Amino acid sequence: QSVLTQPPSVSAAPGQRVTISCSGSSSNIGKNYVSWYQHLPGTAPKLLIYDNNKRPSGIPDRFSGSKSGTSATLGITGLQTGDEADYYCGTWDSSLSAVVFGGGTKLTVL
Amino acid sequence: QLQLQESGPGLVKPSETLSLTCTVSGASISRSSYYWGWVRQPPGKGLEFIGNIEYSGGSNYNPSLKSRVTISVDTSKNQFSLRLTSVTAADTAVYYCGKYNWNAFFDYWGQGTLVTVSS
Repeated sequence: QSVLTQPPSVSAAPGQRVTISCSGSSSNIGKNYVSWYQHLPGTAPKLLIYDNNKRPSGIPDRFSGSKSGTSATLGITGLQTGDEADYYCGTWDSSLSAVVFGGGTKLTVL
Repeated sequence: QLQLQESGPGLVKPSETLSLTCTVSGASISRSSYYWGWVRQPPGKGLEFIGNIEYSGGSNYNPSLKSRVTISVDTSKNQFSLRLTSVTAADTAVYYCGKYNWNAFFDYWGQGTLVTVSS
């Protein structure tokens, strides 16, 4: 059971927009920065968003992040078949003194 | 370009110790403000934080693994290592090493290495 809660799966058609939610608590998302990762099986996870809404160099602006209270959201616009992957949120948990991740969300581009 | 590469045995027997090394290239492991860490993914499950370390030795470990985990740094080889003792089948996973940032995110990752715990 993950500390952060994500929907197991989301789907949308190519070109459309999708959002993935990440729900936590006052000890993690509520007081710390959130990051998001894209993970394709057999490959290294890729950092998409850090510090709630910042994109590393090379990540297109189709990917965006936001945070409100104890929840965070990853948005992806202009969906492409290449976006099919598992997406994870992560943050620091001040009570556990450890990084915590969500259980992951599988994105299907129909 | 910073790169990381995990290495170590792919098969470990139950009750023995899992040992992995991460070799860093493209940056000095002892650079100030750089941190390093380990994450694993059991088959069919999500990512799990194992721990992180600063080059000077300060570290944090996942409370659920803390009694069995040690992460260390070898600045002479530009490597850091993971030791997990008394392993069971539940420790079977793909293990990733990464560069960890103070705001709790990993911006560079190794390709991962599968470690199977089985007799």
